[in-house]
Amino acid sequence: KNEVEQSPQNLTAQEGEFITINCSYSVGISALHWLQQHPGGGIVSLFMLSSGKKKHGRLIATINIQEKHSSLHITASHPRDSAVYICAVLNTDKLIFGTGTRLQVFP
Amino acid sequence: GAGVSQSPRYKVAKRGQDVALRCDPISGHVSLFWYQQALGQGPEFLTYFQNEAQLDKSGLPSDRFFAERPEGSVSTLKIQRTQQEDSAVYLCASSPGTSLLSTDTQYFGPGTRLTVL
Repeated sequence: KNEVEQSPQNLTAQEGEFITINCSYSVGISALHWLQQHPGGGIVSLFMLSSGKKKHGRLIATINIQEKHSSLHITASHPRDSAVYICAVLNTDKLIFGTGTRLQVFP
Repeated sequence: GAGVSQSPRYKVAKRGQDVALRCDPISGHVSLFWYQQALGQGPEFLTYFQNEAQLDKSGLPSDRFFAERPEGSVSTLKIQRTQQEDSAVYLCASSPGTSLLSTDTQYFGPGTRLTVL
């Protein structure tokens, strides 16, 4: 069993739809990252959170430490949001990554 | 530079060759990380430097993998006698934090795609 699991693995949506990507983890963590990876490999950090909720533009990330679960929401999705979204947890000095959720948003 | 850079971006090697992958972190960043990302998978931790000190190399898959950061800035990941299973994207990230438990954002480079034939 992976220490960090994401669902769904693949997600397609129509432009404008509300998107939710889930992440569950089984190890102790000091923080959780949501990352965005575009084709070609570039990774961008979207959020780092250790409790509660953060919002940046159309992106919202929440974490429930007791349930070991985090969600990434995208409101009013757009084709440019198409990418792989990766959840990663900080365990001691290293990040443990999920396998990612591939999102495709169609116009 | 403005971000983390890696070179080469693409590397094709014949099985058995040695390769060296370079990472230039953001200037002044203390921590540097190497990750391996196989096709369709999330990145996996390889090793971590704080300045020139390699504090964790538990993720290196074999003794064919060696990383160094001699002056606490540029880092090189070397793979000796490459095998086909070494084919992956190798990502480098840096962060300004100095603590092992730093929760600083990590800034990722574009990666080096290694293909071993």
